[in-house]
Amino acid sequence: GAVVSQHPSWVICKSGTSVKIECRSLDFQATTMFWYRQFPKQSLMLMATSNEGSKATYEQGVEKDKFLINHASLTLSTLTVTSAHPEDSSFYICSAPDRVGSGANVLTFGAGSRLTVL
Amino acid sequence: AQSVTQPDIHITVSEGASLELRCNYSYGATPYLFWYVQSPGQGLQLLLKYFSGDTLVQGIKGFEAEFKRSQSSFNLRKPSVHWSDAAEYFCAVGPTTDSWGKLQFGAGTQVVVTP
Repeated sequence: GAVVSQHPSWVICKSGTSVKIECRSLDFQATTMFWYRQFPKQSLMLMATSNEGSKATYEQGVEKDKFLINHASLTLSTLTVTSAHPEDSSFYICSAPDRVGSGANVLTFGAGSRLTVL
Repeated sequence: AQSVTQPDIHITVSEGASLELRCNYSYGATPYLFWYVQSPGQGLQLLLKYFSGDTLVQGIKGFEAEFKRSQSSFNLRKPSVHWSDAAEYFCAVGPTTDSWGKLQFGAGTQVVVTP
């Protein structure tokens, strides 16, 4: 089946630094990817839709200058948390539509990236 | 307003017993419906989905779910749970339009399986 890989799985950084998280579709192409955020013991909230070759679409309340998204190829989307602060600490999960094997309209999720900002 | 409600935050069930997780949604039209499972520190795995057709949907790991339009519900069931079923379960809905990938998730139900 389709696989979405995220890297890194864990990252710890100092306040004020920037962190980049990669999301790759390993065996299929994804013109669109979705970035979710999950706080401890809470549900997932959609942050933005990443579009290959064009600007990302951000959900209401998500700072586009804080969370930079780049979708430079059909298999890679990156999320950069700029000038990170402790309140940005969270679990970030990406997903991509899987149109391989399991049929249309199913999202495959990455394993997530846990960011801790000190 | 659109919403997904999972009334049970936490459920404890004995191994071998049956399990039912509730999910209710409020949506403008019948959406696409999903159940995902998340193990600690992991991403989400799709258990099953409903798009149309038969309202009783079979999924992986012995799970099934029934869509009831009149109740706006999509409850997840398993006849006999295994210790490995201990995890967080999320119900999700998505539009049937081009933006179907923008899922809205419920708050999740934590399932604990006792010996």
